[in-house]
Amino acid sequence: AQSVTQLGSHVSVSEGALVLLRCNYSSSVPPYLFWYVQYPNQGLQLLLKYTSAATLVKGINGFEAEFKKSETSFHLTKPSAHMSDAAEYFCAVIYTFGNEKLTFGTGTRLTIIP
Amino acid sequence: EAGVAQSPRYKIIEKRQSVAFWCNPISGHATLYWYQQILGQGPKLLIQFQNNGVVDDSQLPKDRFSAERLKGVDSTLKIQPAKLEDSAVYLCASSLVSPYEQYFGPGTRLTVT
Repeated sequence: AQSVTQLGSHVSVSEGALVLLRCNYSSSVPPYLFWYVQYPNQGLQLLLKYTSAATLVKGINGFEAEFKKSETSFHLTKPSAHMSDAAEYFCAVIYTFGNEKLTFGTGTRLTIIP
Repeated sequence: EAGVAQSPRYKIIEKRQSVAFWCNPISGHATLYWYQQILGQGPKLLIQFQNNGVVDDSQLPKDRFSAERLKGVDSTLKIQPAKLEDSAVYLCASSLVSPYEQYFGPGTRLTVT
């Protein structure tokens, strides 16, 4: 089945350090890709999305992601982590063939170390 | 602009009881989605409505789950009877038409004991 894989269910970084959250998709046809953030006891908020335009996508809160077709990846980065970035991050995909259902990865919990 | 509203926020029931969740999407959004998010997993689509018609309910356990969207605005998701494995957060989302920009509500956390 077409899916999306997030490597690392938990990631810890020090405040001010680089944040790197990994996401890989499984399709020979580039899909639409999304990163969502979920703060405790809240719904999901869209951080950024790739829909076949520029491969480097900038989102809210200083996050960005780069679509790399050769690596089937869409990793999320932020140059300098803040305490407020602590949350659960979900990579999601819509494959443009078929029923265009938003399919989520299993999530990565980001912890920021003071 | 008001976001997606859901109620209740929390619900605790015993197995074999019934429960209902309510969702009011963003005004003007034609498409409404219900997702189930089990602890430690990503959300999984249960059902998608376009106005008041069902587009996709392939992952809805129809023997116990039902959903409706009367008048194409708000929606209700019901579970009857509940099982222990139904413990999860139930998220409602809406979009204007396409699935590429979905807005999520805060969710309802269901605990089945």
